[in-house]
Amino acid sequence: DTGVSQDPRHKITKRGQNVTFRCDPISEHNRLYWYRQTLGQGPEFLTYFQNEAQLEKSRLLSDRFSAERPKGSFSTLEIQRTEQGDSAMYLCASSLALGNQETQYFGPGTRLLVL
Amino acid sequence: GQSLEQPSEVTAVEGAIVQINCTYQTSGFYGLSWYQQHDGGAPTFLSYNALDGLEETGRFSSFLSRSDSYGYLLLQELQMKDSASYFCASLTGGGNKLTFGTGTQLKVEL
Repeated sequence: DTGVSQDPRHKITKRGQNVTFRCDPISEHNRLYWYRQTLGQGPEFLTYFQNEAQLEKSRLLSDRFSAERPKGSFSTLEIQRTEQGDSAMYLCASSLALGNQETQYFGPGTRLLVL
Repeated sequence: GQSLEQPSEVTAVEGAIVQINCTYQTSGFYGLSWYQQHDGGAPTFLSYNALDGLEETGRFSSFLSRSDSYGYLLLQELQMKDSASYFCASLTGGGNKLTFGTGTQLKVEL
């Protein structure tokens, strides 16, 4: 399978703990995105990378959130001092940027539950 | 800000045709995408319209009118497996950021 993969698929943690999620994009894709989705809502943009550069961050991404893509391949999203409001599905997507038209392909997501 | 409005729920019978509408208010608009999401699954790309008009991909078609800030997804010959949530999403910010609507839950009945 050469699609976007995410690990872990599910994470349960206690409030105040740190968690880290990993995303492996489709291999030739140069852009990588993180989104958050809560029940009954559409995905919300968090941040994106072009190669290893983080080019945009949403105001939803508080100081407790940090994302990296050190070698322009896989990416990690870390949440420090988790809060119950962080419980959501965290989706990763990747795309190959060609001009101003691109298709973002989503991974299966990491479902986070903060107790 | 950016906002996209869709009906929250649509019900149709197997074999029928259904249209899911999407109106948007966005700045820096590049185009409109449609995604399908089954319960517990990832959003799956269906179609993208950058220009006005109709794009057809098998049983699915998507339409865009930039002057009306309006688009729709048309699903023909509905099958039970089409029961899912459907999201319109505007592509903005240099053509790289997706802003999603709240989604339309489609229920296909026998």
